Amino acid sequence: QKEVEQNSGPLSVPEGAIASLNCTYSDRGSQSFFWYRQYSGKSPELIMFIYSNGDKEDGRFTAQLNKASQYVSLLIRDSQPSDSATYLCAVKIDTDKLIFGTGTRLQVFP
Amino acid sequence: DGGITQSPKYLFRKEGQNVTLSCEQNLNHDAMYWYRQDPGQGLRLIYYSQIVNDFQKGDIAEGYSVSREKKESFPLTVTSAQKNPTAFYLCASSIGRSRYNEQFFGPGTRLTVL
Repeated sequence: QKEVEQNSGPLSVPEGAIASLNCTYSDRGSQSFFWYRQYSGKSPELIMFIYSNGDKEDGRFTAQLNKASQYVSLLIRDSQPSDSATYLCAVKIDTDKLIFGTGTRLQVFP
Repeated sequence: DGGITQSPKYLFRKEGQNVTLSCEQNLNHDAMYWYRQDPGQGLRLIYYSQIVNDFQKGDIAEGYSVSREKKESFPLTVTSAQKNPTAFYLCASSIGRSRYNEQFFGPGTRLTVL
């Protein structure tokens, strides 16, 4: 059973801090990794993807991938209350399927 | 205005009834997907289609059926054989078959069985 694991949270951070969200995966053959943000009652929205080891930055978001350790993380700098949501990690194991984690709930308090 | 639309937003079904959820996209994407989301669980793949007139079962296809007669449309039927259909149903699409293509989601349909 191919798995993607996330801590369900909630992860609580003060406004302006860095939020660090982590995800581990079991299939060493995984090729691509995605982070989605999901507000309560809404559908997931893609915010980052990463394919290669290392860091990828986009605005306040940085995705980090370490294939040897089988983890991917998402850093959110200068966290805002509007970042409060559930963050879903998804891993592509072949050309067809994404495997999703259960998500980490982030709370940013003023 | 490009995107993925799903209808209806909310759907109520009596036990024993079949219902069909609509998913339409105007992104010219080849691939389309149906997922189910339950509280506290990740998204689970029901069916997917990489090309018109072809589709494959996902991890939880029992009690569901789909069709892909047009590139733009991928309707999902929840049959009476689905034991616990109350859930949030999400349709997604991507450009095509690749390890790297992102999937984009529609707004979802929330189905409740009365």
